[in-house]
Amino acid sequence: QSVLTQPPSVSAAPGQKVTISCSGSSSNIGNNYVSWYQQLPGTAPKLLIYDNNKRPSGIPDRFSGSKSGTSATLGITGLQTGDEADYYCGTWDSSLSGWVFGGGTKLTVL
Amino acid sequence: QVQLQESGPGLVKPSQTLSLTCTVSGGSISSGGYYWSWIRQHPGKGLEWIGYIYYSGSTYYNPSLKSRVTISVDTSKNQFSLKLSSVTAADTAVYYCAREPITFGGVIVSPGYYGMDVWGQGTTVTVSS
Repeated sequence: QSVLTQPPSVSAAPGQKVTISCSGSSSNIGNNYVSWYQQLPGTAPKLLIYDNNKRPSGIPDRFSGSKSGTSATLGITGLQTGDEADYYCGTWDSSLSGWVFGGGTKLTVL
Repeated sequence: QVQLQESGPGLVKPSQTLSLTCTVSGGSISSGGYYWSWIRQHPGKGLEWIGYIYYSGSTYYNPSLKSRVTISVDTSKNQFSLKLSSVTAADTAVYYCAREPITFGGVIVSPGYYGMDVWGQGTTVTVSS
């Protein structure tokens, strides 16, 4: 049981847009910074978004992040088959004094 | 460009201690400015943070694993290590090491601000007799 809640799966057609939600509480998302990670099959996670909505160098602007209250959202536009992956949200939890992650969302590009 | 590489036994017997090392290349652990983490992923499951260490030796551990975890750093070898004692089959997982930047303009930022920006490729550890 993950501390952060994500939908198990989402799907959309190539070229379309998809959003992935991440729900937490005041001890984590509500008062800390959210990051998002992409995990392609058989590979390590890769940082997509940090500080709720900032993209590291090299991450295309098709990927976006937002946060409101105790929830965060990852958006992906112009979907490509190469975007098929598992996506994880993560943040610091002030009550646990540690990192917590969502259970992951599997994106299928139909 | 900083790279991380995990190493260690792929098979550990139940009740024994799992020991892994993460070697950092392309940058120095002792330069400061980063937390160095261990994260694991059970088969087909999500990510679980185990803990992290600063170059000075300060550590934070996941409360659920704290009684069994020790993370240490060897700045002379530019490595940090994980020891997990009394392992069971439930500790079978892919273990990753990762880096988290913690400073901006020389000022320490809040935990989690930058996210974990560099990851090792991961190493699979199976606990079985």
